[in-house]
Amino acid sequence: SQKIEQNSEALNIQEGKTATLTCNYTNYSPAYLQWYRQDPGRGPVFLLLIRENEKEKRKERLKVTFDTTLKQSLFHITASQPADSATYLCAGNSGGYQKVTFGTGTKLQVIP
Amino acid sequence: GAVVSQHPSWVICKSGTSVKIECRSLDFQATTMFWYRQFPKQSLMLMATSNEGSKATYEQGVEKDKFLINHASLTLSTLTVTSAHPEDSSFYICSSTRADQKADTQYFGPGTRLTVL
Repeated sequence: SQKIEQNSEALNIQEGKTATLTCNYTNYSPAYLQWYRQDPGRGPVFLLLIRENEKEKRKERLKVTFDTTLKQSLFHITASQPADSATYLCAGNSGGYQKVTFGTGTKLQVIP
Repeated sequence: GAVVSQHPSWVICKSGTSVKIECRSLDFQATTMFWYRQFPKQSLMLMATSNEGSKATYEQGVEKDKFLINHASLTLSTLTVTSAHPEDSSFYICSSTRADQKADTQYFGPGTRLTVL
């Protein structure tokens, strides 16, 4: 079955460093991957989308890559801040263009 | 931006009662609305997809008679959990795509915490 996997349940990083989160997909080739931020008790907030024909996309301190050979997307937050502490979800479209499958998320803690 | 609201933000009910959750797109027309459920420390699981004026499409394993979805207009979808039981306690989140944008971007509501006693 189609899977989106975020193998790191949690990641702790020192303030100012670059946080790198990993998302792997198996048994299919998504047309796009998305990254969301979710704070406790809140709905996800869309951050970035990257399509399969794009290698890299940036938005302010965020960078996302899409490697179709490794079947992997990396999500980077540069100059991380305590306010970046949250759970980050990766999602890929599945069963059509609109529907997405979510990974279980990586909880990022930025330590001052 | 695109704002999606949900009401109520939390609800506690007795076992056997029905609960209705509303999802509204506040500043745009929603082409499609999605309903998700999220258990603690788990990911979002899609329950159903609905388009305005047509019947919802439910994911495998989701009981359509238990989770009634009504997509009455381009800005409102409702999810009714009928005869709720403690195992239905979860965080329910809706999302929608915009009629004027590509269908690959979903805007999520803030979620509704349902606790069934």
